[in-house]
Amino acid sequence: EVQLVESGGGLVQPGGSLRLSCAASGFTFSSYWMSWVRQAPGKGPEWVANINQDGSAKYYVDSVKGRFTISRDNAKNSLYLQMNSLRAEDTAAYYCATNNGDSWGLGTLVTVSS
Amino acid sequence: QSVLTQPPSVSAAPGQKVTISCSGGSSNIGNNYVSWYQQFPGTAPKLLIYESNKRPSGIPDRFSGSKSGTSATLGITGLQTGDEADYYCGTWDNSLSAYVFGTGTKVTVL
Repeated sequence: EVQLVESGGGLVQPGGSLRLSCAASGFTFSSYWMSWVRQAPGKGPEWVANINQDGSAKYYVDSVKGRFTISRDNAKNSLYLQMNSLRAEDTAAYYCATNNGDSWGLGTLVTVSS
Repeated sequence: QSVLTQPPSVSAAPGQKVTISCSGGSSNIGNNYVSWYQQFPGTAPKLLIYESNKRPSGIPDRFSGSKSGTSATLGITGLQTGDEADYYCGTWDNSLSAYVFGTGTKVTVL
């Protein structure tokens, strides 16, 4: 059974940093593009970033370019999202997902507030 | 705002059919496959349709997808109360080099 489990969310002040992790199991993680998707309270989902199988290709939504970095460790079956210079508008539930959208985690909540 | 436009809401009686449109452009729907997602409050989106018209294992054939030009459509037949949810289209946008979701449609079963 495919499982994606996010962790690392929490309350952070504006300008602060957080590192989200996603532990994958039940499938050959190293064979899949992976994505981070976020959803602000009461809003629709917003794709944040994705990464190819070996980490050599990465894409980001414009609003996080230069602030967020997606990465992966295939030996640990893990996906990461380093978030710097956080803003109030980054407040959302962050989901880890396979790039084709067929598997999603339960999400981890990030709140940016003073 | 999203580059993919959906109607805010659609509704129908149990057993009836609804269709949800997703309008985009040549840089997204016009040249890429479309996916459709179902989302209940407080949960992650669930994939209903991929590659514009294919259903993942376990998705009933009451759900169907189609694409024509720069628009895509999700159809739900035999509407059930359990289908009340938000529905989103999504696809890659070649100009933005980003994945984009639609504005979302709330389905209400009358």
